[in-house]
Amino acid sequence: KNEVEQSPQNLTAQEGEFITINCSYSVGISALHWLQQHPGGGIVSLFMLSSGKKKHGRLIATINIQEKHSSLHITASHPRDSAVYICAVRWGNFGNEKLTFGTGTRLTIIP
Amino acid sequence: EAQVTQNPRYLITVTGKKLTVTCSQNMNHEYMSWYRQDPGLGLRQIYYSMNVEVTDKGDVPEGYKVSRKEKRNFPLILESPSPNQTSLYFCASSLYKGGPYPNQPQHFGDGTRLSIL
Repeated sequence: KNEVEQSPQNLTAQEGEFITINCSYSVGISALHWLQQHPGGGIVSLFMLSSGKKKHGRLIATINIQEKHSSLHITASHPRDSAVYICAVRWGNFGNEKLTFGTGTRLTIIP
Repeated sequence: EAQVTQNPRYLITVTGKKLTVTCSQNMNHEYMSWYRQDPGLGLRQIYYSMNVEVTDKGDVPEGYKVSRKEKRNFPLILESPSPNQTSLYFCASSLYKGGPYPNQPQHFGDGTRLSIL
């Protein structure tokens, strides 16, 4: 079965720390999404990538296709970054538009 | 304002009473999808649609139906709801290029919290 694993499940850090959240998957993919779910429940798409690296403000997402691994980094973390971060993958065959999700990483940033 | 609108936001109902959760987007997106979110299991895809009259099963389609008669609407139908369908449901949409090109980032609705007694 195609699987997506995230680590850590929970992460607590002090404001200003550099944060890394990891996502590993079992077989080849065509795209990977990083999502943010706010404490109120709303979901926002942060990144979609199929290779390399993307940056938006203090957030950076990288993907290593050979190692089947992606990371989400947050620089200079802030309490407003506290949320659940979720990765989702679209598996390799085009025409297959299904998404499979990791179970999320709950991030808490302490002032 | 670009948005995905789900209705209702909250619903408490009883086993066996047919219900429909509506989803509408105003961005002319081809791709629409339904997900459910459960504690410990995360988000799981129920059904998705790549365009009008084109739908396909996700990972957990049992007990659900969908239709895509218009590009903007993608309702989720529970013909005979059961307590194991109590969950938080999200609809999402995105542009779709097809072929080897991945979907564009998805826009999510605010969610529908469904309780089936």
